[in-house]
Amino acid sequence: GAVVSQHPSRVICKSGTSVKIECRSLDFQATTMFWYRQFPKQSLMLMATSNEGSKATYEQGVEKDKFLINHASLTLSTLTVTSAHPEDSSFYICSASLSGVSYNEQFFGPGTRLTVL
Amino acid sequence: AQSVTQLDSQVPVFEEAPVELRCNYSSSVSVYLFWYVQYPNQGLQLLLKYLSGSTLVKGINGFEAEFNKSQTSFHLRKPSVHISDTAEYFCAVSDPWWGGNKLTFGTGTQLKVEL
Repeated sequence: GAVVSQHPSRVICKSGTSVKIECRSLDFQATTMFWYRQFPKQSLMLMATSNEGSKATYEQGVEKDKFLINHASLTLSTLTVTSAHPEDSSFYICSASLSGVSYNEQFFGPGTRLTVL
Repeated sequence: AQSVTQLDSQVPVFEEAPVELRCNYSSSVSVYLFWYVQYPNQGLQLLLKYLSGSTLVKGINGFEAEFNKSQTSFHLRKPSVHISDTAEYFCAVSDPWWGGNKLTFGTGTQLKVEL
């Protein structure tokens, strides 16, 4: 089946530093990848949609200068949290979309737990 | 705009008992509907989906869901749960225009199966 990996699975950083999270589709090419944020005991909130070779589309309220997304290839998208602060601590999940005839199934990565001290 | 409501934040149930997790959605257009399961510190796994056709959808791990357009519901059911079903369950909706992209999730229901 389609597998999506994320790296790292867990990261702790100091306030003010930047953190990069990688999302890879291991056995398929994904023209579209998505980044979600999940707070404890809450649902997933879509942050941005990333298409290979073009700029990401951010959802309302998401700061594009703070959450930099790069989708350099059909199997890799990265999310960089710049100048991280404690309020950025969260569980970040990516998904990759596999195109179908009428439906594009999303396959989710295992998530990255970010803790900003 | 679409939205999903999962009224039950937690559902405790004894092993081998039946369970129903409720999901209601609001949308002015036709929809795709999904149920995902999330185990602790993991990503989401698709349980089942409704795109079109039969309103009764069967998924993995013995789960099924029924699409009820008149009640705008997509409740998830399992006739006999197992300890391993303990997890967070999310209902999601998508506009077919986006082909399954742009998922809107409910707030989740924590299913806790007890001995």
